[in-house]
Amino acid sequence: AQSVTQPDIHITVSEGASLELRCNYSYGATPYLFWYVQSPGQGLQLLLKYFSGDTLVQGIKGFEAEFKRSQSSFNLRKPSVHWSDAAEYFCAVGAFSGSSNTGKLIFGQGTTLQVKP
Amino acid sequence: DTGVSQDPRHKITKRGQNVTFRCDPISEHNRLYWYRQTLGQGPEFLTYFQNEAQLEKSRLLSDRFSAERPKGSFSTLEIQRTEQGDSAMYLCASSPRTFPGYTFGSGTRLTVV
Repeated sequence: AQSVTQPDIHITVSEGASLELRCNYSYGATPYLFWYVQSPGQGLQLLLKYFSGDTLVQGIKGFEAEFKRSQSSFNLRKPSVHWSDAAEYFCAVGAFSGSSNTGKLIFGQGTTLQVKP
Repeated sequence: DTGVSQDPRHKITKRGQNVTFRCDPISEHNRLYWYRQTLGQGPEFLTYFQNEAQLEKSRLLSDRFSAERPKGSFSTLEIQRTEQGDSAMYLCASSPRTFPGYTFGSGTRLTVV
Protein backbone atom coordinates (compact mmCIF):
# COMPACT_ATOMS: atom_id res chain seq x y z
CA ALA A 1 0.00 0.00 0.00
CA GLN A 2 1.13 3.52 -0.70
CA SER A 3 1.96 5.53 2.38
CA VAL A 4 4.02 8.40 3.71
CA THR A 5 5.49 8.56 7.19
CA GLN A 6 6.77 11.65 8.88
CA PRO A 7 8.29 10.32 12.10
CA ASP A 8 8.55 13.67 13.86
CA ILE A 9 5.22 15.18 14.81
CA HIS A 10 6.75 18.25 16.41
CA ILE A 11 10.21 19.80 16.08
CA THR A 12 11.63 22.86 17.80
CA VAL A 13 14.77 24.57 16.54
CA SER A 14 16.46 27.83 17.37
CA GLU A 15 16.46 30.60 14.82
CA GLY A 16 19.58 30.34 12.70
CA ALA A 17 20.02 26.64 13.37
CA SER A 18 19.85 24.02 10.64
CA LEU A 19 16.75 21.94 10.06
CA GLU A 20 16.01 18.48 8.75
CA LEU A 21 12.49 17.09 8.51
CA ARG A 22 12.22 13.39 7.81
CA CYS A 23 9.96 11.69 5.32
CA ASN A 24 9.76 8.01 4.42
CA TYR A 25 7.49 6.68 1.72
CA SER A 26 6.16 3.38 0.49
CA TYR A 27 5.23 3.35 -3.18
CA GLY A 28 5.22 0.60 -5.76
CA ALA A 29 6.32 2.57 -8.78
CA THR A 30 8.61 5.52 -9.44
CA PRO A 31 7.63 8.02 -6.77
CA TYR A 32 6.75 11.61 -7.44
CA LEU A 33 7.57 13.36 -4.17
CA PHE A 34 6.58 16.71 -2.75
CA TRP A 35 7.00 18.91 0.27
CA TYR A 36 4.29 21.40 1.16
CA VAL A 37 4.11 24.02 3.89
CA GLN A 38 0.91 25.16 5.59
CA SER A 39 0.45 28.16 7.86
CA PRO A 40 -2.44 28.08 10.35
CA GLY A 41 -5.81 28.29 8.64
CA GLN A 42 -4.26 28.43 5.19
CA GLY A 43 -3.96 26.19 2.19
CA LEU A 44 -0.86 24.32 1.12
CA GLN A 45 2.12 25.93 -0.58
CA LEU A 46 4.48 23.82 -2.63
CA LEU A 47 8.09 24.04 -1.43
CA LEU A 48 9.66 21.62 -3.88
CA LYS A 49 9.08 18.46 -5.87
CA TYR A 50 11.04 15.53 -7.23
CA PHE A 51 10.19 13.59 -10.36
CA SER A 52 13.48 12.32 -11.72
CA GLY A 53 17.06 13.32 -12.35
CA ASP A 54 19.25 15.01 -9.75
CA THR A 55 18.36 13.59 -6.37
CA LEU A 56 19.06 16.88 -4.59
CA VAL A 57 16.19 19.24 -5.27
CA GLN A 58 16.16 22.95 -4.58
CA GLY A 59 12.96 24.69 -3.59
CA ILE A 60 11.63 28.02 -2.53
CA LYS A 61 12.51 29.86 0.68
CA GLY A 62 15.97 28.25 0.83
CA PHE A 63 14.71 24.69 1.29
CA GLU A 64 16.17 21.62 -0.34
CA ALA A 65 15.40 17.93 -0.22
CA GLU A 66 17.32 14.80 -1.08
CA PHE A 67 15.75 11.71 -2.61
CA LYS A 68 17.34 8.46 -1.45
CA ARG A 69 15.78 5.50 -3.19
CA SER A 70 17.69 2.93 -1.12
CA GLN A 71 16.24 4.39 2.08
CA SER A 72 12.83 5.32 0.63
CA SER A 73 13.37 8.77 2.05
CA PHE A 74 12.89 12.35 0.93
CA ASN A 75 14.11 14.52 3.78
CA LEU A 76 13.69 18.28 3.78
CA ARG A 77 16.56 20.51 4.89
CA LYS A 78 17.33 24.15 5.45
CA PRO A 79 20.74 25.42 6.55
CA SER A 80 19.49 28.33 8.66
CA VAL A 81 15.93 28.59 9.93
CA HIS A 82 14.08 31.89 10.15
CA TRP A 83 11.25 32.64 12.58
CA SER A 84 8.88 32.89 9.62
CA ASP A 85 9.50 29.21 8.82
CA ALA A 86 7.35 28.18 11.78
CA ALA A 87 4.49 26.22 10.20
CA GLU A 88 3.32 22.71 9.43
CA TYR A 89 5.20 20.74 6.82
CA PHE A 90 3.77 17.89 4.79
CA CYS A 91 5.52 15.33 2.66
CA ALA A 92 3.46 13.72 -0.09
CA VAL A 93 3.80 11.08 -2.78
CA GLY A 94 1.81 11.28 -5.98
CA ALA A 95 0.46 8.93 -8.61
CA PHE A 96 1.55 10.42 -11.93
CA SER A 97 2.65 7.52 -14.07
CA GLY A 98 1.24 4.66 -16.05
CA SER A 99 -2.24 3.41 -15.27
CA SER A 100 -2.18 5.27 -11.97
CA ASN A 101 -1.79 8.69 -13.53
CA THR A 102 -4.50 10.23 -11.40
CA GLY A 103 -2.45 12.97 -9.82
CA LYS A 104 -3.76 11.87 -6.43
CA LEU A 105 -1.47 12.79 -3.54
CA ILE A 106 -0.94 10.77 -0.38
CA PHE A 107 0.20 12.93 2.50
CA GLY A 108 2.09 12.24 5.67
CA GLN A 109 0.71 13.29 9.02
CA GLY A 110 2.79 16.43 9.02
CA THR A 111 5.53 17.91 11.17
CA THR A 112 4.92 21.06 13.14
CA LEU A 113 7.96 23.30 13.24
CA GLN A 114 8.42 25.71 16.10
CA VAL A 115 11.24 28.25 15.92
CA LYS A 116 12.75 29.62 19.13
CA PRO A 117 14.15 33.15 19.06
CA ASP B 1 -3.80 33.58 -13.13
CA THR B 2 -5.64 34.23 -9.87
CA GLY B 3 -4.99 30.83 -8.34
CA VAL B 4 -7.54 28.40 -6.96
CA SER B 5 -10.46 30.09 -5.20
CA GLN B 6 -12.66 28.48 -2.59
CA ASP B 7 -15.87 29.83 -1.16
CA PRO B 8 -16.79 30.23 1.62
CA ARG B 9 -13.63 30.38 3.71
CA HIS B 10 -15.50 29.41 6.84
CA LYS B 11 -18.84 27.72 7.39
CA ILE B 12 -20.56 26.96 10.67
CA THR B 13 -23.62 24.78 10.42
CA LYS B 14 -25.91 22.84 12.67
CA ARG B 15 -25.85 19.08 12.64
CA GLY B 16 -28.27 17.72 10.09
CA GLN B 17 -28.09 20.70 7.74
CA ASN B 18 -26.81 20.53 4.18
CA VAL B 19 -23.80 22.57 3.06
CA THR B 20 -22.26 23.29 -0.32
CA PHE B 21 -18.77 24.51 -1.07
CA ARG B 22 -17.48 25.94 -4.30
CA CYS B 23 -14.09 25.72 -5.93
CA ASP B 24 -12.91 27.74 -8.92
CA PRO B 25 -9.74 26.21 -10.36
CA ILE B 26 -7.07 27.87 -12.44
CA SER B 27 -8.81 28.33 -15.76
CA GLU B 28 -6.50 26.28 -17.96
CA HIS B 29 -6.32 23.35 -15.51
CA ASN B 30 -8.48 20.44 -16.52
CA ARG B 31 -7.95 18.36 -13.37
CA LEU B 32 -9.62 19.26 -10.09
CA TYR B 33 -9.21 17.57 -6.72
CA TRP B 34 -10.96 17.66 -3.37
CA TYR B 35 -9.20 16.78 -0.13
CA ARG B 36 -10.29 16.79 3.49
CA GLN B 37 -7.99 17.70 6.34
CA THR B 38 -8.84 17.16 9.99
CA LEU B 39 -6.93 18.76 12.84
CA GLY B 40 -3.44 17.36 13.26
CA GLN B 41 -3.61 15.28 10.10
CA GLY B 42 -2.44 15.54 6.55
CA PRO B 43 -4.97 16.09 3.76
CA GLU B 44 -6.83 13.00 2.57
CA PHE B 45 -7.97 12.54 -1.00
CA LEU B 46 -11.73 12.62 -1.57
CA THR B 47 -12.29 12.77 -5.31
CA TYR B 48 -11.03 14.14 -8.58
CA PHE B 49 -12.33 15.31 -11.93
CA GLN B 50 -10.81 15.45 -15.32
CA ASN B 51 -12.83 18.07 -17.12
CA GLU B 52 -16.42 17.28 -16.15
CA ALA B 53 -15.87 13.58 -15.53
CA GLN B 54 -15.51 12.38 -11.95
CA LEU B 55 -12.86 9.68 -12.32
CA GLU B 56 -12.18 8.52 -8.78
CA LYS B 57 -13.87 8.69 -5.41
CA SER B 58 -12.34 7.76 -2.08
CA ARG B 59 -14.09 5.46 0.35
CA LEU B 60 -14.10 8.51 2.63
CA LEU B 61 -16.75 9.99 0.36
CA SER B 62 -19.89 8.54 1.89
CA ASP B 63 -23.32 8.68 0.29
CA ARG B 64 -23.91 12.00 2.04
CA PHE B 65 -21.18 13.61 -0.04
CA SER B 66 -21.57 14.56 -3.67
CA ALA B 67 -19.27 16.50 -5.94
CA GLU B 68 -19.93 17.95 -9.34
CA ARG B 69 -18.04 19.82 -11.97
CA PRO B 70 -20.51 20.93 -14.61
CA LYS B 71 -18.95 22.01 -17.89
CA GLY B 72 -15.50 21.21 -16.53
CA SER B 73 -15.06 24.57 -14.86
CA PHE B 74 -15.90 25.24 -11.20
CA SER B 75 -16.75 22.41 -8.84
CA THR B 76 -19.11 22.05 -5.91
CA LEU B 77 -18.90 19.70 -2.96
CA GLU B 78 -22.16 19.11 -1.10
CA ILE B 79 -22.52 17.42 2.24
CA GLN B 80 -26.03 16.37 3.21
CA ARG B 81 -27.21 15.81 6.78
CA THR B 82 -23.94 17.03 8.24
CA GLU B 83 -22.46 15.27 11.25
CA GLN B 84 -19.95 16.53 13.78
CA GLY B 85 -17.36 14.23 12.25
CA ASP B 86 -17.59 16.23 9.03
CA SER B 87 -15.90 19.18 10.75
CA ALA B 88 -12.68 19.67 8.82
CA MET B 89 -10.88 21.82 6.30
CA TYR B 90 -11.95 21.01 2.74
CA LEU B 91 -9.22 21.75 0.25
CA CYS B 92 -9.53 22.05 -3.49
CA ALA B 93 -6.62 21.80 -5.93
CA SER B 94 -6.22 21.93 -9.67
CA SER B 95 -3.60 20.85 -12.15
CA PRO B 96 -3.10 20.57 -15.86
CA ARG B 97 -3.28 17.02 -17.22
CA THR B 98 0.43 17.21 -17.89
CA PHE B 99 1.81 17.61 -14.40
CA PRO B 100 3.49 19.60 -12.77
CA GLY B 101 1.24 22.40 -11.66
CA TYR B 102 -0.69 21.19 -8.64
CA THR B 103 -2.10 24.30 -6.91
CA PHE B 104 -4.18 24.29 -3.74
CA GLY B 105 -6.83 26.77 -2.71
CA SER B 106 -6.97 28.24 0.78
CA GLY B 107 -9.66 25.81 1.84
CA THR B 108 -13.10 25.95 3.43
CA ARG B 109 -13.18 25.38 7.16
CA LEU B 110 -16.40 23.57 8.14
CA THR B 111 -17.55 23.45 11.74
CA VAL B 112 -20.61 21.35 12.55
CA VAL B 113 -22.21 22.22 15.90
